[in-house]
Amino acid sequence: DAGVTQSPTHLIKTRGQQVTLRCSPKSGHDTVSWYQQALGQGPQFIFQYYEEEERQRGNFPDRFSGHQFPNYSSELNVNALLLGDSALYLCASSPFMGEQFFGPGTRLTVL
Amino acid sequence: LAKTTQPISMDSYEGQEVNITCSHNNIATNDYITWYQQFPSQGPRFIIQGYKTKVTNEVASLFIPADRKSSTLSLPRVSLSDTAVYYCLVATGMEYGNKLVFGAGTILRVKS
Repeated sequence: DAGVTQSPTHLIKTRGQQVTLRCSPKSGHDTVSWYQQALGQGPQFIFQYYEEEERQRGNFPDRFSGHQFPNYSSELNVNALLLGDSALYLCASSPFMGEQFFGPGTRLTVL
Repeated sequence: LAKTTQPISMDSYEGQEVNITCSHNNIATNDYITWYQQFPSQGPRFIIQGYKTKVTNEVASLFIPADRKSSTLSLPRVSLSDTAVYYCLVATGMEYGNKLVFGAGTILRVKS
């Protein structure tokens, strides 16, 4: 049984560009959460999707948006990239209200 | 969500028992205490969760005193592969499975 998978593994963008990160949840999980982890800090909650809707949102600007597909996979989109958006982006999946399992993350570097 | 405080870093040697204490003075009645482990360039991994007294699994033990204002993660006989960042989280039963609030964590370095 595959765990949570994320793509791509690494990504380099320049300021002002847009990026899309992808996440496939663990089998049987219907809820996907996204976190941003800056170097040396703990992960910070961005938002959570369930039944293709955003259920909860952390303190992130509207440049951060997401989507969940009928197969429960999810995308994180970031527009107008800033240098400060450089981070490890983590996806976590769970059954509804259950334990979250994290993927390996996507390392985004903004130049 | 209750704020947590834990040491920034700890050093240990292989074979020793390591105890990492977390302070959560404002813990609410419904809050559970959860610990995660994270290796470099990987996502956090759930270690253990408890509400009160003592919980033990194959990886660790969690000790929670009666007032629940602190908790201690105990790792028996650590090895080099236990070098990681350990996060203490406090979340309500209703919020568990929703957003997780991570602090800075404790960097554990195990030496040979």
